[in-house]
Amino acid sequence: GAVVSQHPSWVICKSGTSVKIECRSLDFQATTMFWYRQFPKQSLMLMATSNEGSKATYEQGVEKDKFLINHASLTLSTLTVTSAHPEDSSFYICSARDNPGQGKGHGYTFGSGTRLTVV
Amino acid sequence: GDSVTQMEGPVTLSEEAFLTINCTYTATGYPSLFWYVQYPGEGLQLLLKATKADDKGSNKGFEATYRKETTSFHLEKGSVQVSDSAVYFCALSAMQAGTALIFGKGTTLSVSS
Repeated sequence: GAVVSQHPSWVICKSGTSVKIECRSLDFQATTMFWYRQFPKQSLMLMATSNEGSKATYEQGVEKDKFLINHASLTLSTLTVTSAHPEDSSFYICSARDNPGQGKGHGYTFGSGTRLTVV
Repeated sequence: GDSVTQMEGPVTLSEEAFLTINCTYTATGYPSLFWYVQYPGEGLQLLLKATKADDKGSNKGFEATYRKETTSFHLEKGSVQVSDSAVYFCALSAMQAGTALIFGKGTTLSVSS
C-alpha cells in the first residue's frame, strides 16, 4: 500500500528558531498534500493544502508567513515553522493524496506525525 | 459546509464487550466516508472506508455501513480487545478532487481486561 514518511518524529527547539518538517510519499506520486495540526485530545485541524508546483492554500486563521509550505516535487512537501514560539508546540501530521489510477491505496495516506515542542 | 459529528468520549469497555461509536455527517452530494484509528503518539491509520450508499466497510472485526437515509456511518465491533484502545476518528471526503478529509472530533476508546 501507499506509504508516507514524515520526519522528524519529534523535535525540540528554542523559541525564535525555525523548524522544518518533511513529508515524503515513498511509492506513489502525491499531487496534493495536506498539513494538519492536532492539539492534545483534539481532532485534526487542517492548516493548508499544497499542490505540487504551486502555492499552498491556507485555511482561515493560519498564518502563511509563519507556516511555510513547499511542495516542490510530487514526492516531497515541507512545512517550516518560522520563529517558533511555545504556542506553536503541537502534533503536526501530513497527508498525501495519490493520483487517481495509481491504485496504491485509498487516496489519503498519513504520515506518522511530528511532535514539536518549543521551549 | 461539510461536517462530521461523532459521539463524545471517552468510551470505556471491558474486554469482549460490544462497541458502537456513532458518526453522522452533513455533506452535499455523495461523499466517501472513513474511519481512522490513532494510537498514542502516532499518526492516523485507515481502519475502513465506504464510498457509496449501503456500502459496508470492514477490517479487523470493525465494520461500518454507509447509510445515506440517516447520513450515518456508525462504527461497530462485536468483541473489543485491550489492543483496540485508541482514538477513533470518523471522516468524510467531499466529491471534489483534491479536497482534504474532514474529521470528527475523535472518540477515545479504553478497553480493560
